[in-house]
Amino acid sequence: GAGVSQSPSNKVTEKGKDVELRCDPISGHTALYWYRQRLGQGLEFLIYFQGNSAPDKSGLPSDRFSAERTGESVSTLTIQRTQQEDSAVYLCASSSQLGLGQDTQYFGPGTRLTVL
Amino acid sequence: GEDVEQSLFLSVREGDSSVINCTYTDSSSTYLYWYKQEPGAGLQLLTYIFSNMDMKQDQRLTVLLNKKDKHLSLRIADTQTGDSAIYFCAESSPDAGSYQLTFGKGTKLSVIP
Repeated sequence: GAGVSQSPSNKVTEKGKDVELRCDPISGHTALYWYRQRLGQGLEFLIYFQGNSAPDKSGLPSDRFSAERTGESVSTLTIQRTQQEDSAVYLCASSSQLGLGQDTQYFGPGTRLTVL
Repeated sequence: GEDVEQSLFLSVREGDSSVINCTYTDSSSTYLYWYKQEPGAGLQLLTYIFSNMDMKQDQRLTVLLNKKDKHLSLRIADTQTGDSAIYFCAESSPDAGSYQLTFGKGTKLSVIP
């Protein structure tokens, strides 16, 4: 079946502009995660959605970052007034959250954001 | 807070075994994972191990866990050029929320033909 998809694959923007990144999770996956990967670094957790529960926003680096999810489907990550330090690959993952103690996260290919 | 450390680079000859090492600090880790990232691609889950296990084997991959030393390793037997990628170690623990993964910075494996 289809995996996690993200769009756009690449985004170049000017400092100060807003950007919107999209993630389509695997159908039926109730959990969705956003991570940021800066050049040469590991992944930083940003935000987590699980069903209709309030999202865990503890990883968002500033109030310029926000994310929404419609039901158990598409999610959008919005970065307002982008800064050069926002340049990174933004990765989305989804999982089935079967409550079996282990929950594999499946990742999309990422959106490479470059802020000039 | 939690921290996951990996060496940044590893170079091996085709056909040899590769061993990628990882250390973590959170003793309450429940699951430990190895992900593979090829250029321009997302992360692919390779394997995972539950913290009450000390070894897991899956075809060419062997995962060893030393919980006392908080040390995790991934051995790739008969390494091929297609194994060239960045390998990330990750851990999840109840303290961070069992759904949240903490990643190392990744080990870049280069396979020499």
